[in-house]
Parts: sequence; C-alpha cells; structure tokens
Amino acid sequence: DTAVSQTPKYLVTQMGNDKSIKCEQNLGHDTMYWYKQDSKKFLKIMFSYNNKELIINETVPNRFSPKSPDKAHLNLHINSLELGDSAVYFCASSQEPGDGAGELFFGEGSRLTVL
Amino acid sequence: GQSLEQPSEVTAVEGAIVQINCTYQTSGFYGLSWYQQHDGGAPTFLSYNALDGLEETGRFSSFLSRSDSYGYLLLQELQMKDSASYFCAVRGGGSTLGRLYFGRGTQLTVWP
Repeated sequence: DTAVSQTPKYLVTQMGNDKSIKCEQNLGHDTMYWYKQDSKKFLKIMFSYNNKELIINETVPNRFSPKSPDKAHLNLHINSLELGDSAVYFCASSQEPGDGAGELFFGEGSRLTVL
Repeated sequence: GQSLEQPSEVTAVEGAIVQINCTYQTSGFYGLSWYQQHDGGAPTFLSYNALDGLEETGRFSSFLSRSDSYGYLLLQELQMKDSASYFCAVRGGGSTLGRLYFGRGTQLTVWP
C-alpha cells in the first residue's frame, strides 16, 4: 500500500490552462504539505494543512489554491498556468507540524510541464 | 529568512567515506534533518538532529553544532546505490514553526 499517493504522475498542458493534482495519505497523519521542486532541484514549501486547516501559505501566487476535504486528502488546483509553473510538485505528510523530527513522507511527485 | 548552504556536488569511490556539510541561517531553529532523493524519486528521510552531537544510523551518521549553525552527513562504506541527491533541511521554530526549509541539495556520485 502506497503511503502518500498523488495523481497524476505526469501532466503536460498549455499556458493559460487550469489543472489539478490530487494527493492522499493513508498514514493517519494530521498534517499535509505541498512542495515545489524546480529544475535545479530546489525544494520549496508552498502550503501546509493541519487537520483540514491551512496553517502555512508560503507567499504563493493566488493562482494556486489548495483544498483539503479531509485530513487524508490535499489537492492543489492551479489556474492560468504559466511557463514558470513547470516543476515537480510533491505532496507530503507528517504526524504533526511542530516539534520533533517531523519526518516528512513524500509522494512520488507530479511532474508538470507547461508549454 | 532561512538560508542553507551545502556543496552542489561530491564524488567518491565505492567503499570510501564522504562528508556532506551544511551551514544554515534561520530566524528560528528546531533541528536539522537530512533527506535522500534518487533521480526521479521522492525525497526520503535519513536523520534528524535537534541537539549537538553525532547521531548514527547504520552506515550514515549526522552531526550538529548549533553554536556554529553547522551540520554534516557522513556516509561510510559507500555503495553505488548511495548515488543520489542529499538535502539538509532546517525545521523552523517560533513564527516559522512547522516549516521545513531545504538546502539546494548535494549530488553524490559513487564510482566503482
């Protein structure tokens, strides 16, 4: 059983389109995240939800809208896609957002290519 | 803000020992983690240091000196499968609690 699964794995689309990426975790964790990894492999936090509530919004353009219907799911919708949005988007989860190692469990990533 | 510095590339031969250094500047600090990522794969957790000193997990060890804002990952008895990117990450405290900030990664290549 995959602990953190995200779909789709690959996404190729035109500039200006809207797309969504879905993520589910079966680890029973309270906290979920979206990270963006650019072509230089820089991993940057975008959002975090704790038990369906947004707790981190790391200055991301409002074209990006996360949604957490329940604590096991965190989706990412992107409007009006731009070339610079091309990246690998990783979903992750952890037991809690605060102290401790807060080990992140990552999904396999969704590679978005905007043409 | 947060900034982490680590070398961009390291190469070594099988069986050797390699050390990947990480220096950080953060507005709050809770601990230093290390993650491994193979090409095309997901980052996976390796280790975490909240206190000064060395933590050993099998062939991998991680060290932290909070006074120097410095840590390293030590990989021993290198194997070909250790070829991957290694990221140090700082867990923020205070107003950045809950955020994990990553360095830009060190690409380790292990040669036979």
